[in-house]
Amino acid sequence: DTEVTQTPKHLVMGMTNKKSLKCEQHMGHRAMYWYKQKAKKPPELMFVYSYEKLSINESVPSRFSPECPNSSLLNLHLHALQPEDSALYLCASSQPDRFNQPQHFGDGTRLSIL
Amino acid sequence: LAKTTQPISMDSYEGQEVNITCSHNNIATNDYITWYQQFPSQGPRFIIQGYKTKVTNEVASLFIPADRKSSTLSLPRVSLSDTAVYYCLVGALRDNYGQNFVFGPGTRLSVLP
Repeated sequence: DTEVTQTPKHLVMGMTNKKSLKCEQHMGHRAMYWYKQKAKKPPELMFVYSYEKLSINESVPSRFSPECPNSSLLNLHLHALQPEDSALYLCASSQPDRFNQPQHFGDGTRLSIL
Repeated sequence: LAKTTQPISMDSYEGQEVNITCSHNNIATNDYITWYQQFPSQGPRFIIQGYKTKVTNEVASLFIPADRKSSTLSLPRVSLSDTAVYYCLVGALRDNYGQNFVFGPGTRLSVLP
């Protein structure tokens, strides 16, 4: 069992749909992350929130819109996605210490774009 | 930003010790080295972290030479359940400084009976 919970586990959507991915943690972590992972590749960082403020955006297309409503929740809003956006989307959390706080990952949402 | 390289795959037999090396030639002074394990359809799981010399916990050891340009994850007496992908991650979160940590390409370890 993971301490970072992601919902839904699977999502199939059309290119014109709007959907949201959700992530929740109750470890008191104040940094939360979104990653994208394609098959047989390492996770690629998309966004980082630190103390509920967006601190890193890795030049992600605007069809991905992150939101951090409070210190325990992280959302990723999806709109007008492309087939190449099909991937495993991972959420992680850590303390925003500068040097040595390991990240705790959820098990991801597997997203398929039709 | 430290670029990392790892062997793509490794095979081992049950009961053997496995050593996986990660190269990170341009590691920064403040960067830590962290190793994660990932099973199919799961998120990465933290294994071990270090800055220099040797670190040991209940599941693994991490060896980091003085120049810190590489690190070696050592798994003692592997079992079939250790079959997974192992990633090294170099760097740390530094607010507003862009991407300053990066996962290595991953090593796919297969443990055979």
